[in-house]
Amino acid sequence: EVQLVESGGGLVQPGGSLRLSCAASGFTFSGYWLHWVRQAPGKGLVWISRINSDGSTINYADSVKGRFTISRDNAKNTLFLQMNSLRAEDTAFYFCARDTVDNGGNITPFDLWGQGALVTVAS
Amino acid sequence: ETVMTQSPATLSVSPGERAALSCRASQSVSSNLAWFQQKPGQAPRLLIFGASTRATGIPARFSGSGSRTEFTLTISSLQSEDFAVYYCQQYNNWPRTFGQGTKVEIK
Repeated sequence: EVQLVESGGGLVQPGGSLRLSCAASGFTFSGYWLHWVRQAPGKGLVWISRINSDGSTINYADSVKGRFTISRDNAKNTLFLQMNSLRAEDTAFYFCARDTVDNGGNITPFDLWGQGALVTVAS
Repeated sequence: ETVMTQSPATLSVSPGERAALSCRASQSVSSNLAWFQQKPGQAPRLLIFGASTRATGIPARFSGSGSRTEFTLTISSLQSEDFAVYYCQQYNNWPRTFGQGTKVEIK
C-alpha cells in the first residue's frame, strides 16, 4: 500500500525539542520531494518545510527557520523533522506530504499525505 | 509571500445543488493552484492541481478554473460526502501558501 506514516509526536515543554519521523512505503521514496505541513487544532493548513528528492535543496517557512531542520534518509525511506526551541504556537498536527515531479518539472503537489502527528507544547 | 484569500468562509448548500468556491492570490501564481478537501479528523486530499486538472480518482462533479490571481472550485451537484472544508494552495512561489479555507455545510 502506498502510504506515509508519521510518528514521534507528543507533549513537550516550551523550549524543548522533538523529532518527527515520516515512514514511506509502497513507492520509490527517493524519487519524490517531501514536505511538512502543520495545522493548529481547529485552524487552517500551514506549509513549513520542503526537501527535494536527494536532500540538496531545502526550504523553510520564516516561522520555523533556524529552529526546525528537515532531513531524509532515502535508504530507510524516512523523512524527519527536528524541532528545537519549541513554542506554544508550534502546537499542531504535523503532516508529511509528497510532491510528484515529472521529467519535465511539472509538479503534482501534495498528492499523498500522512495521517498526522500531534505535537503539544505546554508546561 | 503570496497571500491566498478564499471566499466565502462558510457556504450553506442543499444536497444536489451547485457550489462555487473562490480563491484569490495576492500576485500571479500562473496555473500553479491546487484545491484540497479535508474532513474532520482526516488528512487533506488533493482534488485539483494545475488549476483545472482533477487528481486521480476525483469525481467529475469537481472542476477547477481560473489562472493568475482568480480561481474557482465548482462542485456541480453536492453529495453528502462533499460536506467538508476546502483549501486552495499556490505552489508557484516560495513559501507555498494556503487559503484560510471554505467550509461547505448542509443547508
